[in-house]
Amino acid sequence: GDSVTQMEGPVTLSEEAFLTINCTYTATGYPSLFWYVQYPGEGLQLLLKATKADDKGSNKGFEATYRKETTSFHLEKGSVQVSDSAVYFCALSDPTRDDKIIFGKGTRLHILP
Amino acid sequence: DAGVIQSPRHEVTEMGQEVTLRCKPISGHNSLFWYRQTMMRGLELLIYFNNNVPIDDSGMPEDRFSAKMPNASFSTLKIQPSEPRDSAVYFCASSSTRGWNTEAFFGQGTRLTVV
Repeated sequence: GDSVTQMEGPVTLSEEAFLTINCTYTATGYPSLFWYVQYPGEGLQLLLKATKADDKGSNKGFEATYRKETTSFHLEKGSVQVSDSAVYFCALSDPTRDDKIIFGKGTRLHILP
Repeated sequence: DAGVIQSPRHEVTEMGQEVTLRCKPISGHNSLFWYRQTMMRGLELLIYFNNNVPIDDSGMPEDRFSAKMPNASFSTLKIQPSEPRDSAVYFCASSSTRGWNTEAFFGQGTRLTVV
């Protein structure tokens, strides 16, 4: 079945460091891909998305490119801030599976000042 | 739109009691998801409705858990009887499967504590 695998955390970085959180997926169809962010005590919020191969999603300085050849959707940010500390979830929505949304296990990110 | 609305935000109950969690999805969305989040197990999909019909309930842990969606604007998740290991944050999310924007929108969650 469909699945999403993302790097385990926690990831700890200093402010202004470069961030990469890896995400790979398996799907029978051509899914849409998402990154969600969860701040402490809150629900998940959509951070960015890409709906087809080679699309780049971006928001708040974060970027991720839909790579069909490597079935990946890695999240990157050039210079992280303390306020980026949160849990990040990679997810997919597969139209061949009734658009059921499947999440990875999440990666906790700590940014040190 | 007010977004996905869940109630209550917090629930503390004694073991053995019935618990009902409620969710109002975003108007016009035709898919609804119930998730459970714990430190140990992360985010787990419990059940998924599409057009008010349960499509996949394979994540429902036991017969003690049941979910309904009587109409497009309301869903409930019921635990009867509740147990301490059910303590978690339960999220409801909704999405639209029409068009390209299929992302899920989450409610604020219900933090359930069973003592």
